[in-house]
Amino acid sequence: DGGITQSPKYLFRKEGQNVTLSCEQNLNHDAMYWYRQDPGQGLRLIYYSQIVNDFQKGDIAEGYSVSREKKESFPLTVTSAQKNPTAFYLCASSIDVAGGAYEQYFGPGTRLTVT
Amino acid sequence: QKEVEQNSGPLSVPEGAIASLNCTYSDRGSQSFFWYRQYSGKSPELIMFIYSNGDKEDGRFTAQLNKASQYVSLLIRDSQPSDSATYLCAVSFGGTSYGKLTFGQGTILTVHP
Repeated sequence: DGGITQSPKYLFRKEGQNVTLSCEQNLNHDAMYWYRQDPGQGLRLIYYSQIVNDFQKGDIAEGYSVSREKKESFPLTVTSAQKNPTAFYLCASSIDVAGGAYEQYFGPGTRLTVT
Repeated sequence: QKEVEQNSGPLSVPEGAIASLNCTYSDRGSQSFFWYRQYSGKSPELIMFIYSNGDKEDGRFTAQLNKASQYVSLLIRDSQPSDSATYLCAVSFGGTSYGKLTFGQGTILTVHP
């Protein structure tokens, strides 16, 4: 059963703690992405990775870090430097369907609450 | 700053009507355009993508792209209450963007019986 999994679904942390969100895909997609969504807002790109051992900052990378040691996995760490970490975090992966047009699919998301 | 704009709505239509959702984008170099549906509390799911001018139909959904006017729209025919959701427009700017998407803020659609 192919897809993208994210765990946990809900996560609660105290301010000042780092927290790592998991994202795994078995779709054999090369590219993976992390987005953040705040209530009533669209999605904003945090980091993305085109290939293993390579990743680039998105529009709002400050306070976040990622790694891409395996094709299937792209974990996101929310550090204590992130000023407003409470949000819905979405992981996605994509495949090139038409010479540069990438279809992007999302995991179920992790809802992080920091108090 | 590349921007994608959508009317936030809410857009309310009666069951069986056509719902029309619009999206404009700022960068003329944009290459691929996507429509996602997002139910409350859930992740976005891909409905359609389009990259050529004109119309693309898939069941009750039609995506329309006009690159000269820099807008893309989604028509939903025979709207059903189950179509009530937030619809997100997303744009890929091609080149070395590696499929990065820039999203609009979403349009809330309500289909009432």
